[in-house]
Amino acid sequence: DTGVSQDPRHKITKRGQNVTFRCDPISEHNRLYWYRQTLGQGPEFLTYFQNEAQLEKSRLLSDRFSAERPKGSFSTLEIQRTEQGDSAMYLCASSWTLENTEAFFGQGTRLTVV
Amino acid sequence: QQQVKQSPQSLIVQKGGISIINCAYENTAFDYFPWYQQFPGKGPALLIAIRPDVSEKKEGRFTISFNKSAKQFSLHIMDSQPGDSATYFCAAVGGGSQGNLIFGKGTKLSVKP
Repeated sequence: DTGVSQDPRHKITKRGQNVTFRCDPISEHNRLYWYRQTLGQGPEFLTYFQNEAQLEKSRLLSDRFSAERPKGSFSTLEIQRTEQGDSAMYLCASSWTLENTEAFFGQGTRLTVV
Repeated sequence: QQQVKQSPQSLIVQKGGISIINCAYENTAFDYFPWYQQFPGKGPALLIAIRPDVSEKKEGRFTISFNKSAKQFSLHIMDSQPGDSATYFCAAVGGGSQGNLIFGKGTKLSVKP
């Protein structure tokens, strides 16, 4: 499968715990995006990487959230001290160039904070 | 502040009918308007997209109509099928956003056999 891959698909965690999600983009895509989607809403932009550089962060990305993309390949999104409001689907997408803005999404990681 | 407004929230269409979903945007710097289809438990998948220099784009049963002056665009699904039942999102890109998508809230389409 050469699509965007996300792991895990589901995560249940207790409030206050830290969680980390992984995204493997389509190979050779230099842009990688993280989005958050809550029930009945469209995805909301969180952050974006061009190769290994994190170029933009949404105000939705609080200090408890951190994302990395070492070596411009896979990316991780970590949430520290999880809160119930963090429960959502976390989606990763990748694309090639700004002109070709077709973004391909992974299947997402559904986080439930109890 | 919602920059892309989508309607209706839900839509029920008979098999073979035409499904129409509308979106309006505010930022005139947007320069790429994709539509995504999402099935339960899956990530969004690109369906069709248009740039503002074109008024209409058709791919199979799916057509985007674009009205730049009104800042509106719509998705038409011809000969709707039960397999088209999904949530559809319009989105917009541009205006210095570095390619990140601004999504509408989605339309849940149900096509009845």
